[in-house]
Amino acid sequence: TQLLEQSPQFLSIQEGENLTVYCNSSSVFSSLQWYRQEPGEGPVLLVTVVTGGEVKKLKRLTFQFGDARKDSSLHITAAQPGDTGLYLCAGAAFDDYKLSFGAGTTVTVRA
Amino acid sequence: DAGITQSPRHKVTETGTPVTLRCHQTENHRYMYWYRQDPGHGLRLIHYSYGVKDTDKGEVSDGYSVSRSKTEDFLLTLESATSSQTSVYFCAIPAPEDIGYTFGSGTRLTVV
Repeated sequence: TQLLEQSPQFLSIQEGENLTVYCNSSSVFSSLQWYRQEPGEGPVLLVTVVTGGEVKKLKRLTFQFGDARKDSSLHITAAQPGDTGLYLCAGAAFDDYKLSFGAGTTVTVRA
Repeated sequence: DAGITQSPRHKVTETGTPVTLRCHQTENHRYMYWYRQDPGHGLRLIHYSYGVKDTDKGEVSDGYSVSRSKTEDFLLTLESATSSQTSVYFCAIPAPEDIGYTFGSGTRLTVV
């Protein structure tokens, strides 16, 4: 099992502020995904990054895959209350279809 | 976007009783996965299947068994439920547009 560590564990910010969530590992991944989960529901896939150094943007969300394919970050610009949720990163090994998940970052955006 | 459904959504059971959770998909995927989610641990893989009657263990498989008699259904059984198996259980299949998973809505299981 490849360990993914997310930081911070909890994040509470005011509407309009920016935030960054980190996902780090000592293992190399073929791809890394980010999910958002709301209470009582399953995680929903936001994005997949597959190339070292890759940057993807999804409206106000920016995702980056580290050059060494061991880490990733999620940056939210001008956060809104609708961004509130549990953010999970997950990585896939090169020879495996199974995903390993981080423990998650709980983000709360106050209006 | 249904395509994967879990039942039941909630269940309370007594220690020592058997429990079966069901995952049903309409996407005809070979792969199906069972995870459990606990605070501070994220999602941990219990068992997965790569075809009818083809299954394998994940990292937390002790106390669980699975069966896949047809493509669309993947059953998770707790042979004799324990309090440590109180958790939220998620089923997943590969996402259609991207590398990653589509998850069901989960089953909240409480063992008393």
